[in-house]
Amino acid sequence: AAGVIQSPRHLIKEKRETATLKCYPIPRHDTVYWYQQGPGQDPQFLISFYEKMQSDKGSIPDRFSAQQFSDYHSELNMSSLELGDSALYFCASSPGLAGYNEQFFGPGTRLTVL
Amino acid sequence: DQQVKQNSPSLSVQEGRISILNCDYTNSMFDYFLWYKKYPAEGPTFLISISSIKDKNEDGRFTVFLNKSAKHLSLHIVPSQPGDSAVYFCAASGGGGSQGNLIFGKGTKLSVKP
Repeated sequence: AAGVIQSPRHLIKEKRETATLKCYPIPRHDTVYWYQQGPGQDPQFLISFYEKMQSDKGSIPDRFSAQQFSDYHSELNMSSLELGDSALYFCASSPGLAGYNEQFFGPGTRLTVL
Repeated sequence: DQQVKQNSPSLSVQEGRISILNCDYTNSMFDYFLWYKKYPAEGPTFLISISSIKDKNEDGRFTVFLNKSAKHLSLHIVPSQPGDSAVYFCAASGGGGSQGNLIFGKGTKLSVKP
């Protein structure tokens, strides 16, 4: 079965650079969630989209922005990168916005900021 | 403040025996709970979920129990297999009234010894 695809899998950037992470949800899933997992931490919710509109916002820094496109893929744009942004970034998708749907996670993008 | 707590960072169990992973939560608005399994360098994999109208949900070797009055849930794996060795995350959401974003615990690393 098709799973959530994230690209790139690994990314190395310098401080103050920008990065773009991409997420392709499972076909027919219209809701996308972004999570950040720091070393030894639990995943923290950043932002979500339903039908191309932002549906909820968590602990996402103002330096980050995201959007969902007409084909339901999503991109997380990160600017003015800081050392503390080094983390695993997971995207998850689910069918619909209602809170009783399980979320299916991608393999993650490991971002390293030097 | 951690709203979902997994107080045991690790658990070691003999193959064939029962593994019991525990999770406590503080937010009484949570009404949908999920367990995810995570291997290194992979995204969390959905295992099983339970809504607050139930106190038990079973899927093969995995059973989740929910005690709403105690704000406690547990995942039972019977019988445990070496392939079950992974980090297990408990997650909660506000259910139907929420936008579905998940609040995770810090995870419990399960080791199943042959």
